[in-house]
Amino acid sequence: DSGVTQTPKHLITATGQRVTLRCSPRSGDLSVYWYQQSLDQGLQFLIQYYNGEERAKGNILERFSAQQFPDLHSELNLSSLELGDSALYFCASSRLRQGTDTQYFGPGTRLTVL
Amino acid sequence: GQQVMQIPQYQHVQEGEDFTTYCNSSTTLSNIQWYKQRPGGHPVFLIQLVKSGEVKKQKRLTFQFGEAKKNSSLHITATQTTDVGTYFCAGLGETSGSRLTFGEGTQLTVNP
Repeated sequence: DSGVTQTPKHLITATGQRVTLRCSPRSGDLSVYWYQQSLDQGLQFLIQYYNGEERAKGNILERFSAQQFPDLHSELNLSSLELGDSALYFCASSRLRQGTDTQYFGPGTRLTVL
Repeated sequence: GQQVMQIPQYQHVQEGEDFTTYCNSSTTLSNIQWYKQRPGGHPVFLIQLVKSGEVKKQKRLTFQFGEAKKNSSLHITATQTTDVGTYFCAGLGETSGSRLTFGEGTQLTVNP
């Protein structure tokens, strides 16, 4: 158990819908990262927040947005969902904001868009 | 942008055989990290390499960082069924800030 929690574990929805994925980092960690993992694919970095502020942005679609709240939990919002958005979405956390910090991954949310 | 390529994509070995996965970056890296993801699980951090030519060992696992800091390898000696999973390298470019670029991973299966 990494100490990072993600809810829900599974999510099934229809095209065009909007969903929110939630992540709680390890106690004391200030950074939260979001990754997308499609079937048999590597991890695609989406976005990083550090202490409530956006720190780094990857290839995140405009239909996707995220935020980190004062209690440091984070939410990833996916809207106008398409079939191709079906994937595992992982959240990771680290103590600080440097790329050299060890990232601890949560169990992931499996999103299925029908 | 920065690309990290990993080969092979799949590797099937008999228990007891050795296994190696290779990682190559299109740009010079400030560090490289390795992760393992068990089937149905989440990535778990294994190790980080920072120095040119660095070699680190964890029991049967040996990690190397190339002299030019553009490639890395993970070697497992005498594989066991518990080694099954996908091994990812993740590189941090010198100008990437905090953004890790993951390789596609090598999926290892071990036949008992």
